[in-house]
Amino acid sequence: RKEVEQDPGPFNVPEGATVAFNCTYSNSASQSFFWYRQDCRKEPKLLMSVYSSGNEDGRFTAQLNRASQYISLLIRDSKLSDSATYLCVAVRGTDKLIFGTGTRLQVFP
Amino acid sequence: ETGVTQTPRHLVMGMTNKKSLKCEQHLGHNAMYWYKQSAKKPLELMFVYSLEERVENNSVPSRFSPECPNSSHLFLHLHTLQPEDSALYLCASSQDWTGGSPLHFGNGTRLTVT
Repeated sequence: RKEVEQDPGPFNVPEGATVAFNCTYSNSASQSFFWYRQDCRKEPKLLMSVYSSGNEDGRFTAQLNRASQYISLLIRDSKLSDSATYLCVAVRGTDKLIFGTGTRLQVFP
Repeated sequence: ETGVTQTPRHLVMGMTNKKSLKCEQHLGHNAMYWYKQSAKKPLELMFVYSLEERVENNSVPSRFSPECPNSSHLFLHLHTLQPEDSALYLCASSQDWTGGSPLHFGNGTRLTVT
């Protein structure tokens, strides 16, 4: 079993839709989590950190469920520019970042 | 100015060639990384340097040789590569070598081994 698992998608949604991705992690000792965004043929960029209490940044909301060992990313009012691959990251111990394979989102007009 | 700069952007090399990838960060960070990204696989950590000292080497074949002359520069020397080494090689930096520090990636070198 992979340490960090994501549905590869693609998720095809119309503009304005709300879409949510989940990411499961197997190491219960993981303490920190992130979502990165990677555009086609570009480098990953940090989208947001995931806090225990959940956090929101504009149209994006990240949540952590420790009991079920998953994190989620909710995107409201999807834009064409949101089309990208979203990478889930769990931090094992104090320093090891474990990346998921990513979930591809395609927003269509 | 881009925070993390990688050169070259694209590289095609034969299996007997020797080449080097270069990375430079302008963010004043203390840690630098090499990652490999292959199609349909998660990012694989190859090497970590913290304050110019190698702190992690993830069982990477010896045909990949990193070099960190100072905290702003990182190289990956390549020799006698195999076709399966074709991938996107990403350099990254972070404030320090702890999991809580976000990574800043360079735009990558797309390597093709023929």
